[in-house]
Amino acid sequence: DAGVIQSPRHEVTEMGQEVTLRCKPISGHDYLFWYRQTMMRGLELLIYFNNNVPIDDSGMPEDRFSAKMPNASFSTLKIQPSEPRDSAVYFCASSLEGALSGNIQYFGAGTRLSVL
Amino acid sequence: GQQLNQSPQSMFIQEGEDVSMNCTSSSIFNTWLWYKQDPGEGPVLLIALYKAGELTSNGRLTAQFGITRKDSFLNISASIPSDVGIYFCAGQLRSGSQGNLIFGKGTKLSVKP
Repeated sequence: DAGVIQSPRHEVTEMGQEVTLRCKPISGHDYLFWYRQTMMRGLELLIYFNNNVPIDDSGMPEDRFSAKMPNASFSTLKIQPSEPRDSAVYFCASSLEGALSGNIQYFGAGTRLSVL
Repeated sequence: GQQLNQSPQSMFIQEGEDVSMNCTSSSIFNTWLWYKQDPGEGPVLLIALYKAGELTSNGRLTAQFGITRKDSFLNISASIPSDVGIYFCAGQLRSGSQGNLIFGKGTKLSVKP
C-alpha cells in the first residue's frame, strides 16, 4: 500500500482565498483524521471520521473550516476564506479499528500551507 | 482538555550516546504510542504499547508502558546522525475510542557526529 496520500504537498495562497486540502487514506482503513501542526500548539486534532461519517469536529477552529468524506477513499479539508493565522502543516491520518492494530494512526506527509 | 507532558523539549547529544525521553499524564491511558517525525514528513510509528508494564524494543529503541498507566518512556541506545528528528508520544484514553489519541508536544533530538 502507498500509505496515506495528501495533496498538495505545499500550498501558498493569499488571504481571503479558498484552500482545499486532499487526502486518500490507506485502503481498508475505517477512520480518517485531520490534524494541524504549528510550532506553538503542536499537533491538534481538527476532526475525525468513522466510515465516512464525521464523529468529532470539536477541534475545528471556526466556521471557515469544513471537512468532507464523500467516500471511503477520499477526504477534503477546506478553508474559506483563508487567513494568515491558518498557516501550518496539515496532516491526514487513517487507522483501522481492531484489537491487533490497537488503533494505530498512520500519517500522510502533510500539506504545508502558507497564507500571505 | 487532556494533556501529555513530554520531556525534554529538546536534546543535543553526541553520536554514540544514549537518549531517554518520557511522557506523563494525570490521566490513565490504555495505549501508548511513540512516533518519529523527520523534517518535511509526517510522524511515523516507532513502537506501540498496550499493557501496563510492557517493555518493547525496536532495534536500538526501547519503550515502556508505565505501571501506573500514566507514563511512558522511550530510550535510544548508541545514537546515530539519522536519529535526528522530533519524537512524539501519544496516548489513547479509552479502548475503542479512536479519536482520543492525545499527542505530546514532542522532543527535538539533535545528534552531533
